[in-house]
Order: sequence, then C-alpha cells, then structure tokens
Amino acid sequence: GAGVSQSPSNKVTEKGKDVELRCDPISGHTALYWYRQSLGQGLEFLIYFQGNSAPDKSGLPSDRFSAERTGGSVSTLTIQRTQQEDSAVYLCASSPGPRWNEQYFGPGTRLTVT
Amino acid sequence: DQQVKQNSPSLSVQEGRISILNCDYTNSMFDYFLWYKKYPAEGPTFLISISSIKDKNEDGRFTVFLNKSAKHLSLHIVPSQPGDSAVYFCAASAGSGGSNYKLTFGKGTLLTVNP
Repeated sequence: GAGVSQSPSNKVTEKGKDVELRCDPISGHTALYWYRQSLGQGLEFLIYFQGNSAPDKSGLPSDRFSAERTGGSVSTLTIQRTQQEDSAVYLCASSPGPRWNEQYFGPGTRLTVT
Repeated sequence: DQQVKQNSPSLSVQEGRISILNCDYTNSMFDYFLWYKKYPAEGPTFLISISSIKDKNEDGRFTVFLNKSAKHLSLHIVPSQPGDSAVYFCAASAGSGGSNYKLTFGKGTLLTVNP
C-alpha cells in the first residue's frame, strides 16, 4: 500500500515569507507526527496528533510554527515569517495508533530559507 | 542536553564482516528503544526495536543488545552487505502509560559497507 507522502519535496523561500508543508499519512493510521532534522542533528519532535484528541504541540520551537490535521487525515505544517534557522528537513510520520512505537516516515520536505 | 547519543558519526566495514553501531542514553525513564535506517532523500525506516525488559532482540542479520546498567545499546549487523550502507538512527521513548509516542533520536551514524 501507499506510504506516507509529503509535498513539496523541496522548498526554497525568502526570509520572512510563510510556508506550508503537507503530509498525507498512511490510510487508517490515527497517529501523525512532525519532526525536524537540522543539518548534523538528530530528528527533533515537533507535534503529535492522535484522532480527535488535542494535539501535543510541546515540540514546536516558536509561535511562528503551527500545524493542523483536517478530517483526521492530511496535515499541514505552517511556518510564518520564516527565518534562516528554520532551514531543515521536515519529516512527517504516522502510526496505526497512539501506543504504537514504530512510526512510518515520509521522505521529508527540504526547506531552505534564503 | 542530548539524551540519546551516537558518538560515532561514521563507520566503515568490509562486506561480510560485522558492523557494530553504538548508542548511549542518559534518561533512565526510557523503556523502549528503536533503530531506524535512512537512505539519502528518503525518510527513516524502522529496523528493529527492543523493550527494556529484554537484553537482546534478533531479526535475521540484525541484533540489538541492551545494557540497562550502562545505559547503552548496540546494533549488530552480520554479515554486512553493501546495501546496508545508510545512516542509522537510535531512538528511545519513555513511559508506557503516557507519552511513549515521543521518540528522542540520536544524531545518526553513517555506515559504509565496502565491497
């Protein structure tokens, strides 16, 4: 079956612009995660959605970052007024349920802020 | 404060030999550990995991060892194959009753298996 898909695969934007990154999880997966991988770093947890529960936003680095998940499926990560330090690969993952340790990742969106 | 550490950024081994990738952690609340493999331009893929109630888990050529007293785990690949060349991430989660979905990752080790 189809895996996690993300779009765009690459995004170059000017400092100060807003960007939207999209994630389509695996069909039927109720849990969805966003991570960020900056150059030379490990994956950094950003936000977690599970069903209709309130999302865990504890990893969002600033209030310029927000995410939503519509209809329990597709998710959009929005970064407002982008800064150069936002340049990273943004990875989305999904899993069948809330207590499922193995997460299935998409290919990521490489964001470059110039 | 890095809670999951992979101190070797890279490792090079010959095809057919054993690859040993190491991972150390500092948070004693971690009770589940995972290894992910990542090829360039792809997302990480789950490889193998181990619960803190075990000290070894084996799946084909891959074995993960956990030493809780030393807060250390290792991934052994035997025999190594050129297709194993990738970045390997160690990850951990804490608390079966709560936020065990929140994985903490190391920075990764680039494994190169030479033919």
